[in-house]
Amino acid sequence: QVQLQESGPGLVKPSQTLSLTCTVSGGSISSGSYYWSWIRQPAGKGLEWIGRIYTSGSTNYNPSLKSRVTISVDTSKNQFSLKLSSVTAADTAVYYCARGIAAAGNAFDIWGQGTMVTVSS
Amino acid sequence: SYVLTQPPSVSVAPGQTARITCGGNNIGSKSVHWYQQKPGQAPVLVVYDDSDRPSGIPERFSGSNSGNTATLTISRVEAGDEADYYCQVWDSSSDHGVVFGGGTKLTVL
Repeated sequence: QVQLQESGPGLVKPSQTLSLTCTVSGGSISSGSYYWSWIRQPAGKGLEWIGRIYTSGSTNYNPSLKSRVTISVDTSKNQFSLKLSSVTAADTAVYYCARGIAAAGNAFDIWGQGTMVTVSS
Repeated sequence: SYVLTQPPSVSVAPGQTARITCGGNNIGSKSVHWYQQKPGQAPVLVVYDDSDRPSGIPERFSGSNSGNTATLTISRVEAGDEADYYCQVWDSSSDHGVVFGGGTKLTVL
């Protein structure tokens, strides 16, 4: 079955760029009608959608983060990635990658385990 | 932007029925999805497209959506159902895209 795994630095300095990668295993990232999203959750708080990419390369971003976010896909590696620039302490959170079902209103049926990212000097 | 409103907490005794609401302007016109999140774990999809269940989710979990309120109903609540629950929609009418509710903590008494 398809599984997602996030990877990347757990500590990022303020003003720098946070970079994470999600590796898709057990299936091709290009198969089926799916969107690939990043979602984050600060400690003790709710879920915040960051953005998504389709394997065609088309993207949608949360307007509140759009100026700082870039999501890309590498189908040859079965991966998609997140870059969040100019980070501050407010970007400290658990970051999840997730698969969204295009035919089902972008319901997220598969999630990675999440990776904690702390923004601190 | 589109806003989804959930009660912060719901409490229910074991064996009873829990109902968790998700309010939004004309939410009945959108597809609503529900997630269960236990401490330290990633969310799990329990209901999608208002009332469908992914494979492996017990029939005790059901959903409905009409007017300005969507509801997740958990019948015969068990201790293992204690978790945070989030509703979610795709807001095609704005640039916001995916919207989550603030989450509801279900406590099993």
